Amino acid sequence: DADVTQTPRNRITKTGKRIMLECSQTKGHDRMYWYRQDPGLGLRLIYYSFDVKDINKGEISDGYSVSRQAQAKFSLSLESAIPNQTALYFCATSDPGTGTETQYFGPGTRLLVL
Amino acid sequence: GEDVEQSLFLSVREGDSSVINCTYTDSSSTYLYWYKQEPGAGLQLLTYIFSNMDMKQDQRLTVLLNKKDKHLSLRIADTQTGDSAIYFCAENTFRGSTLGRLYFGRGTQLTVWP
Repeated sequence: DADVTQTPRNRITKTGKRIMLECSQTKGHDRMYWYRQDPGLGLRLIYYSFDVKDINKGEISDGYSVSRQAQAKFSLSLESAIPNQTALYFCATSDPGTGTETQYFGPGTRLLVL
Repeated sequence: GEDVEQSLFLSVREGDSSVINCTYTDSSSTYLYWYKQEPGAGLQLLTYIFSNMDMKQDQRLTVLLNKKDKHLSLRIADTQTGDSAIYFCAENTFRGSTLGRLYFGRGTQLTVWP
């Protein structure tokens, strides 16, 4: 969905490096999410934010941090990358005003930690 | 159980019907969803069903909901090779939190043979 963009699309980094993945949305949604996807494990929630002042941990937040700089921007940081953080990372947004909680996903960032 | 569960793989011949099954956890979930992920792409909302409905039909897609058994299915009629993708089931539930959000299954890899 072009309304949710993620940068970079691909990233290779080394163990111990700090990296940031960025997400921007033009949908005007208050809620934003970061997931990681690993083969056979589906989507696991890392962090979510229901508005600019609200940040919540998901199931697998250890080793990650986030920043909600504005309604439209939600960044995910790996403080000290490790190889088992190699995965596909997705950002998503939703609008609680619709009542359906439908989430809209970005195209993903493929991260390889060497 | 605590997890949204789906079988991991399904193979069908082109032109046949595909049925992807899911069991979810919370009988009070208000909406249930099917998302589709094509290779190299993010998740796209395919359809959703409100919990007071038993069935929803949208062109080749039919969603059936059995609330008593907490069972959701997605039927794709006249399956095409372009339907090959991973299909995720998701429920909107609270799980003891004050705020509802989506919980995803692990995804079913649908392979369509010509």
